[in-house]
Amino acid sequence: ETGVTQSPTHLIKTRGQQVTLRCSSQSGHNTVSWYQQALGQGPQFIFQYYREEENGRGNFPPRFSGLQFPNYSSELNVNALELDDSALYLCASSRGAPGGEKLFFGSGTQLSVL
Amino acid sequence: GESVGLHLPTLSVQEGDNSIINCAYSNSASDYFIWYKQESGKGPQFIIDIRSNMDKRQGQRVTVLLNKTVKHLSLQIAATQPGDSAVYFCAENPQTSGSRLTFGEGTQLTVNP
Repeated sequence: ETGVTQSPTHLIKTRGQQVTLRCSSQSGHNTVSWYQQALGQGPQFIFQYYREEENGRGNFPPRFSGLQFPNYSSELNVNALELDDSALYLCASSRGAPGGEKLFFGSGTQLSVL
Repeated sequence: GESVGLHLPTLSVQEGDNSIINCAYSNSASDYFIWYKQESGKGPQFIIDIRSNMDKRQGQRVTVLLNKTVKHLSLQIAATQPGDSAVYFCAENPQTSGSRLTFGEGTQLTVNP
């Protein structure tokens, strides 16, 4: 167990809806990253938060947004859901300023968009 | 764009044998590499990492080798056990990208008893 917890574990939404996924980082970790993992593929970087500010973003549209709170927990919000958004969403935390440190992943939220 | 690729999508070994999982990367700016293990229904689990100023690093039953000349990374698992069955990902961190990791597609390791 990494100490990174995500909720919910599974979620079913319909196209056009909005969803919020939550992540609690491992104790002592102040950086949170979000990744999307489609079935049979490696995780793809969505964005990262450090000290409550976005610190880097991958190739995802603006309808993917996030927040980091003072206790370093984080949310991933996706608006106007599309069928292709169906995936495993992974949260990872790390310690210290971003830059080459190992990431510890949670078990993910499996999102299905119908 | 830049990507991390794996040479073999699947690898099947006998229990007790040594396993070698290979990975090719294309971004010469990458200075940090990680191997993750992912079991079904779980998130990636950190196995071992290596920085670009090293050629080899050993952990418990695992060794990572880095060949920067040919941009190749490998994970060696000694005395493979059934519990090692999982998908293994290599990931790279380009120096210019903060700490975003670029993952390959993964290799499915199956250990036969």
